[in-house]
Amino acid sequence: EADIYQTPRYLVIGTGKKITLECSQTMGHDKMYWYQQDPGMELHLIHYSYGVNSTEKGDLSSESTVSRIRTEHFPLTLESARPSHTSQYLCASSEGGRGGTDTQYFGPGTRLTVL
Amino acid sequence: SQQGEEDPQALSIQEGENATMNCSYKTSINNLQWYRQNSGRGLVHLILIRSNEREKHSGRLRVTLDTSKKSSSLLITASRAADTASYFCATQTGANNLFFGTGTRLTVIP
Repeated sequence: EADIYQTPRYLVIGTGKKITLECSQTMGHDKMYWYQQDPGMELHLIHYSYGVNSTEKGDLSSESTVSRIRTEHFPLTLESARPSHTSQYLCASSEGGRGGTDTQYFGPGTRLTVL
Repeated sequence: SQQGEEDPQALSIQEGENATMNCSYKTSINNLQWYRQNSGRGLVHLILIRSNEREKHSGRLRVTLDTSKKSSSLLITASRAADTASYFCATQTGANNLFFGTGTRLTVIP
């Protein structure tokens, strides 16, 4: 089992609310990622980080923001949630690809519903 | 896009049968990985095959890689109901991020 945690697991909120999805890992991994996945569909990378104070945008444009103040913590924030943000959000971490291979470890996901 | 395409999109088999899933990709890769996702959960890494490898085994899993055709296959032998899940291939170039495929949804009927 991977030591990567996400809270909350499920969140139902109203439009316009500010939300923060938490992700933490205890493996000391440098790289962390946020993916967005609609049910039964592919994963889309929305943010990633190489380490502390590093944040990068992924392949899919997202209105969310992330921060990486501590190695183990990579929260995702939506300032004003909308129904179009309804999706599953998956957090992952990896050692960083030394030697050309990089296996990602995933958290259980947060299923967000915006009414 | 480097994203992989998986085939079939969905597969339904009887318990005990073998399941084969295919993945095609578009650019040169450093390695290809397969992940499994149970419904509503995160992904779990299954197996990694490097670009200079042609076949790899792990328990009931067998992965092949054909870099000339830019394709890979995942074979699950003697399937069990617990193998029911979605399976994703993911490609990596150098130290870059992984690009995930579209996934195959496998249903194993007891």
